[in-house]
Amino acid sequence: DGGITQSPKYLFRKEGQNVTLSCEQNLNHDAMYWYRQDPGQGLRLIYYSQIVNDFQKGDIAEGYSVSREKKESFPLTVTSAQKNPTAFYLCASSKGLASYNEQFFGPGTRLTVL
Amino acid sequence: GDSVTQMEGPVTLSEEAFLTINCTYTATGYPSLFWYVQYPGEGLQLLLKATKADDKGSNKGFEATYRKETTSFHLEKGSVQVSDSAVYFCALMHQAGTALIFGKGTTLSVSS
Repeated sequence: DGGITQSPKYLFRKEGQNVTLSCEQNLNHDAMYWYRQDPGQGLRLIYYSQIVNDFQKGDIAEGYSVSREKKESFPLTVTSAQKNPTAFYLCASSKGLASYNEQFFGPGTRLTVL
Repeated sequence: GDSVTQMEGPVTLSEEAFLTINCTYTATGYPSLFWYVQYPGEGLQLLLKATKADDKGSNKGFEATYRKETTSFHLEKGSVQVSDSAVYFCALMHQAGTALIFGKGTTLSVSS
């Protein structure tokens, strides 16, 4: 079955640590995205990538970093510079950036800072 | 900038009741409009979409019509079920945009 996988499902981090969230897709999609979801809020875009070895900042990129070395993979690193990282993180992918392309979402990773 | 406004929840209904969740948007040009649903602890699933004015998206008994004149994309269902309990997000993507812009979500709770 094609889809998007995210791991881990739950992640706990101590203050000052960097952590990396995994996102893998086997849909052969070119575009991938990271969103952050806070309680009672909509999703906000952190980073997106249109093609391999290219990525762009979204609305709330500060304190985060990404890489896109393979088409299938788009890991997100939450650095110690992110002041309030506790949130639900969702990865998505689509065939391309055009507005008519459906974005498919992974199951999410819930990050908690202890 | 572009934005989406949804009615605040929670919306609490009895099974078989009629559902409306209001959504209005602000955007230049002709964005594509979407409704996503999120079940507890899960990611988002696309429920329906419309890519141009007067288009009606429909899926699983849910419908929404792209109204350019009122900049709205209200979600409706004639008879809700307990299994429809979830958070519903309205979203848009601008023609020249790069990612979805979401509303804050509306929680629907359906009781039997």
